[in-house]
Amino acid sequence: AQSVTQLDSHVSVSEGTPVLLRCNYSSSYSPSLFWYVQHPNKGLQLLLKYTSAATLVKGINGFEAEFKKSETSFHLTKPSAHMSDAAEYFCVVSDRKGDYKLSFGAGTTVTVRA
Amino acid sequence: DTAVSQTPKYLVTQMGNDKSIKCEQNLGHDTMYWYKQDSKKFLKIMFSYNNKELIINETVPNRFSPKSPDKAHLNLHINSLELGDSAVYFCASSVDAIPSYNEQFFGPGTRLTVL
Repeated sequence: AQSVTQLDSHVSVSEGTPVLLRCNYSSSYSPSLFWYVQHPNKGLQLLLKYTSAATLVKGINGFEAEFKKSETSFHLTKPSAHMSDAAEYFCVVSDRKGDYKLSFGAGTTVTVRA
Repeated sequence: DTAVSQTPKYLVTQMGNDKSIKCEQNLGHDTMYWYKQDSKKFLKIMFSYNNKELIINETVPNRFSPKSPDKAHLNLHINSLELGDSAVYFCASSVDAIPSYNEQFFGPGTRLTVL
């Protein structure tokens, strides 16, 4: 069984300041982990993914995430927020064995203040 | 040249009606999915097809019936619509049926409102 917990339902940051979105996962096997972003009234877009290679993963738009097995975490960061980062962010896990399903977190809404 | 497209974008209907949502992908992917996103933005898989074959069928009411006429299309038909069916439905596709490695590409969503 697999699941993710996004620890913050809402994060508000000022433009130009760092962003941290927290995600903890649970997985029966070695997991693959993803972060997806959903802008208002749009579909989801992949930001980055971890599939057992380097534990520090770089994605699009300056985002990165670090896989920490000891902490079962996959937190998403960006050093400097931009207004266009305002969106909903989903942490997603998939067991690399099992039923081939993705399990989505409840989402974190990011607001960026000018 | 939209990768995953859905029609309609908005659908407002009365309880008890039957409606369909269409999805098409032009990425050449083998696998397609339907997800439901509720009012709290929680996303849950409903169905998945791989090369026109159903491979994931979550505990969805029988009123929901997916159909895949070919691997580029996955339609969702809903009978006897209920208030609780109001949600945003997303279609997605991926290269194959192993989501652990492959990105899923999502359509723009269909917002269904049942009155």
